[in-house]
Amino acid sequence: LAKTTQPISMDSYEGQEVNITCSHNNIATNDYITWYQQFPSQGPRFIIQGYKTKVTNEVASLFIPADRKSSTLSLPRVSLSDTAVYYCLVVSTGTASKLTFGTGTRLQVTL
Amino acid sequence: GAVVSQHPSRVICKSGTSVKIECRSLDFQATTMFWYRQFPKKSLMLMATSNEGSKATYEQGVEKDKFLINHASLTLSTLTVTSAHPEDSSFYICSASMRSGSYEQYFGPGTRLTVT
Repeated sequence: LAKTTQPISMDSYEGQEVNITCSHNNIATNDYITWYQQFPSQGPRFIIQGYKTKVTNEVASLFIPADRKSSTLSLPRVSLSDTAVYYCLVVSTGTASKLTFGTGTRLQVTL
Repeated sequence: GAVVSQHPSRVICKSGTSVKIECRSLDFQATTMFWYRQFPKKSLMLMATSNEGSKATYEQGVEKDKFLINHASLTLSTLTVTSAHPEDSSFYICSASMRSGSYEQYFGPGTRLTVT
């Protein structure tokens, strides 16, 4: 399983765009990049998933360069409620795919 | 859609007793369920993978006789912490996958276990 590295923490003001970068140098051809959000005392919530280039949904955008060795989760105009831990995972599309959670990035949004 | 529930959400038990935690997929059939443990301010650690009708596969370092997992139906998996000790106090989270080989997992809300 490809190991991921992301910043331990980030701070942002409300209304700003937040970009969280994750490196996954050993990503394999069959691997997808997935981001989860976790609030305190809750289970993780799926945010976005992508394979290459750019993916956008109603919550976030995911930018993946051509070499796929890194990815950037972009949260537009964050609010206080976006304060959470964000996990970047590399997921294999093999059988019974296990998710390996790294340290995650603790995002703190303030006024 | 794809809702996973856990019961109880919070439990306190005395040292030496056993506690059962249920994980249910409410609106889909889960061929595979996963159990995680999370200590305060730490990441999720996968404990075991449970496939319906077969024995669970435990991660290295997880005692299968202490953490009993049963996946008797396509919508229910249970984790029983046997002879609980204070060091077993943690946040236990399950997730479910709709079909074998799928990389999409849906997480439950978690169960906070406190052993006194």
